[in-house]
Amino acid sequence: QKEVEQNSGPLSVPEGAIASLNCTYSDRGSQSFFWYRQYSGKSPELIMSIYSNGDKEDGRFTAQLNKASQYVSLLIRDSQPSDSATYLCAADGGSNYKLTFGKGTLLTVNP
Amino acid sequence: EAGVTQFPSHSVIEKGQTVTLRCDPISGHDNLYWYRRVMGKEIKFLLHFVKESKQDESGMPNNRFLAERTGGTYSTLKVQPAELEDSGVYFCASSQEFGRSYGYTFGSGTRLTVV
Repeated sequence: QKEVEQNSGPLSVPEGAIASLNCTYSDRGSQSFFWYRQYSGKSPELIMSIYSNGDKEDGRFTAQLNKASQYVSLLIRDSQPSDSATYLCAADGGSNYKLTFGKGTLLTVNP
Repeated sequence: EAGVTQFPSHSVIEKGQTVTLRCDPISGHDNLYWYRRVMGKEIKFLLHFVKESKQDESGMPNNRFLAERTGGTYSTLKVQPAELEDSGVYFCASSQEFGRSYGYTFGSGTRLTVV
């Protein structure tokens, strides 16, 4: 059974702090990894994708991938109250079309 | 560019009834996916269309679920007869092509409640 595990949370950080979200995956065949943000009652929104070991930065977001450890993380710098949402980690299992999602981590950024 | 559109946004039906969910993908997107999230669980893959063809329907729970994509445009997902465990949020997503730098564009989902 291919699984993606996320730290269950909820995670609460003060405004301006760094929020760290973590994810592990079981399928070593996975090549691409995604972080989605989902506001309550809304659709998941893609915020980061990563497929090479190391860091990928986009604005305040940094995704990190370590394939040897089967570990993916998302760092949000200078967290804002508008970042408060559920963050979903997903892996492609090498299929190029079928994503396996984690249950998500609820992040709350307190003003 | 219009996003992925799903309707209805909510549906409450009785056990044993039939419900049809509709998804309009982004224009020009050949790939269309259905996913489902039941309460307390992760979002799970149901099936994948490439144009009008079912590429992978390995995630469909049972034969009470029927997905179609006539003409390779919009898709429908029919549940007949609905059971209590079918309750959840059904997401549709689409992509022009799937590559490492892409992800899906999700619709806002249909919340199905079977009572």
